[in-house]
Amino acid sequence: DIQMTQSPSSLSASVGDRVTITCQASQDISNYLNWYQQKPGKAPKLLIYDASNLETGVPSRFSGSGSGTDFTFTISSLQPEDIATYYCQQYDNLPLYTFGQGTKLEIK
Amino acid sequence: QVQLVQSGAEVKKPGASVKVSCKASGYTFTGYYMHWVRQAPGQGLEWMGWINPNSGGTNYAQKFQGRVTMTRDTSISTAYMELSRLRSDDTAVYYCARDLGYVAVAGTLGYWGQGTLVTVSS
Repeated sequence: DIQMTQSPSSLSASVGDRVTITCQASQDISNYLNWYQQKPGKAPKLLIYDASNLETGVPSRFSGSGSGTDFTFTISSLQPEDIATYYCQQYDNLPLYTFGQGTKLEIK
Repeated sequence: QVQLVQSGAEVKKPGASVKVSCKASGYTFTGYYMHWVRQAPGQGLEWMGWINPNSGGTNYAQKFQGRVTMTRDTSISTAYMELSRLRSDDTAVYYCARDLGYVAVAGTLGYWGQGTLVTVSS
């Protein structure tokens, strides 16, 4: 099975900061990687698909990059409403889609 | 607009089964695969499997093979996830999530239900 290693597990940043989260796959997954945002008590929300494509309606301060085994998720200027837990998810390896462990983002 | 509305919270005893429903609206139900994902309290997301609402074909994560059954009723645009032989560590919020790909599975979960809390306790 493909393992997804996401880091950091938690992060504290100030409003306006640039925030970066990484996700590493245990083997090559091409660009078959998505990023989700989950706010407390809510369902996850798709932000980025195919590693770098912004889902419709998602603010442009969110972006993703990478291919193969190393991926990056970036918030260019952190806003208070971005407080959430973020997950990467690979979909290259059936019959198992795996998520990263999550990164809990807090405001400093 | 796409909506997925799940059934309400359940409390079950160990060894019992639970069946969670997910009613879809706002799109052609048979055109998009439906996934099920669960989240234990304070934990991360765990993919359980998908169902092709058109054919009824399924694909389950190995961890749940033999205990999970995903079905659908196309006449009422509803998908179901049944988990049997429940244990305390099955306590979790269970989500249905619609795939983004049309007709074929894309692996990208674009729309989510609100979640159903299943508590397993004696």
